[in-house]
Amino acid sequence: QQQVKQSPQSLIVQKGGISIINCAYENTAFDYFPWYQQFPGKGPALLIAIRPDVSEKKEGRFTISFNKSAKQFSLHIMDSQPGDSATYFCAASEGRGNMLTFGGGTRLMVKP
Amino acid sequence: KAGVTQTPRYLIKTRGQQVTLSCSPISGHRSVSWYQQTPGQGLQFLFEYFSETQRNKGNFPGRFSGRQFSNSRSEMNVSTLELGDSALYLCASGRGPNTGELFFGEGSRLTVL
Repeated sequence: QQQVKQSPQSLIVQKGGISIINCAYENTAFDYFPWYQQFPGKGPALLIAIRPDVSEKKEGRFTISFNKSAKQFSLHIMDSQPGDSATYFCAASEGRGNMLTFGGGTRLMVKP
Repeated sequence: KAGVTQTPRYLIKTRGQQVTLSCSPISGHRSVSWYQQTPGQGLQFLFEYFSETQRNKGNFPGRFSGRQFSNSRSEMNVSTLELGDSALYLCASGRGPNTGELFFGEGSRLTVL
C-alpha cells in the first residue's frame, strides 16, 4: 500500500519559473513531512520540512504548503534554476521518527 | 565535519550469496536507518537502530538483517541474495530517534547476477 502518493513523476520548467510538486497521504498519524532532494549518484538531502500545525513554511526559494483536512502537501520552488534539476521526494513519518514513508519521486528538469 | 560513510560503494554478487554493507554515521549521531532504493519500488525503509537496539523494521523478509555497534556504526546483511535485491542501499544518520532530520550517505549499489 502506497501511503504517500507524489505527482507529477516528471516536470520540466523554464529557468525562472515555479516548480510545483504535490503529495497526498493516507495515514492520519503522520505528523512530520520532510522533502528531500537527490542528485544522481548522491544520497537524498533534506531540503525543508513541516509539521501539521502550520499551513506554510518558507526557506529561501523553497516553500511547503500543507492542507491537513485534504491530507495534502506540496513543494513550491520559486525562480527555478538549472541547478535545481534533481529528483525530489516527499516523505512522512509519525512522531518525527526516522521511519520515513517516501513518495515515488519527481524528476525535475529546469531548462536554461 | 565528515558525512555519512558507506562501504563498499559498489559490489556485484551472484544469487545465493550473502552481502554485508557498512555505515559510519556522522560523529555524535546515534541513530542509523537503512533504506532500499530501486527504480520500481522507490525508497523503502528497512530498519532503524538507536543505541544498538533495533527500533523499527520495515516490511522486508528475514533475509535482511542489521546491527549497530557501541560506536554507532552499523552493518546490514542480506543473505541468500535474489536478483530483486539489486538496489541502492542507503544509510541515514540522525542525532536521535525522533529528530526527524536524516542525513543520508551516498549508498552502496548492489548488483545481483
